[in-house]
Amino acid sequence: EAEVAQSPRYKITEKSQAVAFWCDPISGHATLYWYRQILGQGPELLVQFQDESVVDDSQLPKDRFSAERLKGVDSTLKIQPAELGDSAMYLCASSSDLNYGYTFGSGTRLTVV
Amino acid sequence: ELKVEQNPLFLSMQEGKNYTIYCNYSTTSDRLYWYRQDPGKSLESLFVLLSNGAVKQEGRLMASLDTKARLSTLHITAAVHDLSATYFCAVVPNTGNQFYFGTGTSLTVIP
Repeated sequence: EAEVAQSPRYKITEKSQAVAFWCDPISGHATLYWYRQILGQGPELLVQFQDESVVDDSQLPKDRFSAERLKGVDSTLKIQPAELGDSAMYLCASSSDLNYGYTFGSGTRLTVV
Repeated sequence: ELKVEQNPLFLSMQEGKNYTIYCNYSTTSDRLYWYRQDPGKSLESLFVLLSNGAVKQEGRLMASLDTKARLSTLHITAAVHDLSATYFCAVVPNTGNQFYFGTGTSLTVIP
């Protein structure tokens, strides 16, 4: 069964350092999403791509977060500098058709110390 | 502001019992999704509901959608320990294509 690949699974970083997460969606899925899930809460959208274009990044803290999907396939989410409040699970999801919903990756658990 | 509210937030139930989780949302939507999340894990798709009156069942779980009432339910029949997890509903507004997740319901099934 096709999966959304994410790496790393876990990341511990010191505040003020830079950190990056990678996501490879299911082949052929044009839409890619990055969500942030704080412990005990539901996921919240950070950025949505359609192919290589950003569709929605209204919730992305652009002073420290950036995201790209250069060739419309895999994607990178970067935080610089990391803050303590960024500690969360970062989930990538992809979709070809919302009639089938999203497929989520295994996530990256970020801890900022 | 779009709101997706689930209740209860926490549910502790005995094995063999039945219970229903409710998901209310504040936007016009014909698309409602249920996901399961185990501790420290990602989200697993359970049900996709795409029209008013849609009902889907898988094992001990049954989900339904009433778009007029802006309400979805996830019914658990004869709960077993393996169902212990957090359950999220998510809606996609008819005017958009982004998921908005509910607050989650943490279910613990006690032997």
